[in-house]
Amino acid sequence: GAGVSQSPSNKVTEKGKDVELRCDPISGHTALYWYRQSLGQGLEFLIYFQGNSAPDKSGLPSDRFSAERTGGSVSTLTIQRTQQEDSAVYLCASSPPGLPSTDTQYFGPGTRLTVL
Amino acid sequence: AQKITQTQPGMFVQEKEAVTLDCTYDTSDPSYGLFWYKQPSSGEMIFLIYQGSYDQQNATEGRYSLNFQKARKSANLVISASQLGDSAMYFCALWKGRSNDYKLSFGAGTTVTVRA
Repeated sequence: GAGVSQSPSNKVTEKGKDVELRCDPISGHTALYWYRQSLGQGLEFLIYFQGNSAPDKSGLPSDRFSAERTGGSVSTLTIQRTQQEDSAVYLCASSPPGLPSTDTQYFGPGTRLTVL
Repeated sequence: AQKITQTQPGMFVQEKEAVTLDCTYDTSDPSYGLFWYKQPSSGEMIFLIYQGSYDQQNATEGRYSLNFQKARKSANLVISASQLGDSAMYFCALWKGRSNDYKLSFGAGTTVTVRA
């Protein structure tokens, strides 16, 4: 079946512009995660949606970052007034309803964001 | 707060030999889980293996095994009979073990290069 998809695959923007990154999770997966990976670094958690519960936004680095998940499926990560330090690969993952011990997270290919 | 440490930024291994990737963690939660992911140059994150803190036996998945030493808070990944396709970045990740919190904390990663 189809995996997690993300669009665009690459995004180049100018400093100060807003960007929207999209994630389509695997059908039936109730949990959706956004992570950020800076060059040569590990993944940094940003935000996590689980079913109809309030999202865990504890990883968002500033109020310029926001995300929503419509209808429990597609998610959009928005970065307002982008800065050069926002340049990174933004990875989305989704997982089935079970615990991470039994239902692992499946990652999308990522969106590479470059802020000039 | 959780912390994952991968002290080896890069490693070289000869084809068909075994390699051990170090991972230490710090958590105050009695229940937690440890994951290893592989990230090839193409960028996707591939789940390899999982170890729960209460699991009595070390996890194994094909050529991957986890050397879990709970008292030392280490969860080293062993790749046996290395193949050229094993060249990638490898990440250790920690889950808090809570049913209402599925997000993962990742280490900085170790780059493995397999030589023919």
